[in-house]
Amino acid sequence: AQSVTQPDIHITVSEGASLELRCNYSYGATPYLFWYVQSPGQGLQLLLKYFSGDTLVQGIKGFEAEFKRSQSSFNLRKPSVHWSDAAEYFCAVGDISNFGNEKLTFGTGTRLTIIP
Amino acid sequence: GAVVSQHPSRVICKSGTSVKIECRSLDFQATTMFWYRQFPKQSLMLMATSNEGSKATYEQGVEKDKFLINHASLTLSTLTVTSAHPEDSSFYICSAAWGRNQPQHFGDGTRLSIL
Repeated sequence: AQSVTQPDIHITVSEGASLELRCNYSYGATPYLFWYVQSPGQGLQLLLKYFSGDTLVQGIKGFEAEFKRSQSSFNLRKPSVHWSDAAEYFCAVGDISNFGNEKLTFGTGTRLTIIP
Repeated sequence: GAVVSQHPSRVICKSGTSVKIECRSLDFQATTMFWYRQFPKQSLMLMATSNEGSKATYEQGVEKDKFLINHASLTLSTLTVTSAHPEDSSFYICSAAWGRNQPQHFGDGTRLSIL
């Protein structure tokens, strides 16, 4: 069964600083990988996804992630964070369900705090 | 972009009550809908997957008689928590996808509190 590990429970960065959130996955085949962001009390918004092809994936809000098969990683990066980026970030791996959509297995999340 | 509406956003009720949560895709037809449960400070756990007009497929450990899922149309799925008890208190989130290999779009969630 697939699994996702997000080693960092909580990260604090200064506004304008660079950011990297770690994600490691376990999956038997080529994975479908996702990053989602969740603001308090709300649902999830898709930041970016990797299915195949270029291992550096660009997403919304200036985020990018790089798929590294040799390290089983899919780390999320942003060169300069904004106060509005404070939220909970979830990495997920997808397995094709019976209906042809991805059944997502989520990591435990990383809470990002931005300080002025 | 694709919008998924979930209602109600918050519900507080007495133990033993049944609670229905609605998930609607507002601008697309959702062939597949997913229901998740999220405990405080924890990740989302998939409860079940449903395809329009078919019975839901429940994940291991999820009681299908406790959590009734109906996906009667391409724009609406409902989750009914039957005879809810305090341990059912949680944040429930739905998502919807409109076809094979299409990403899931999430609702804003429902905070269920059972007294």
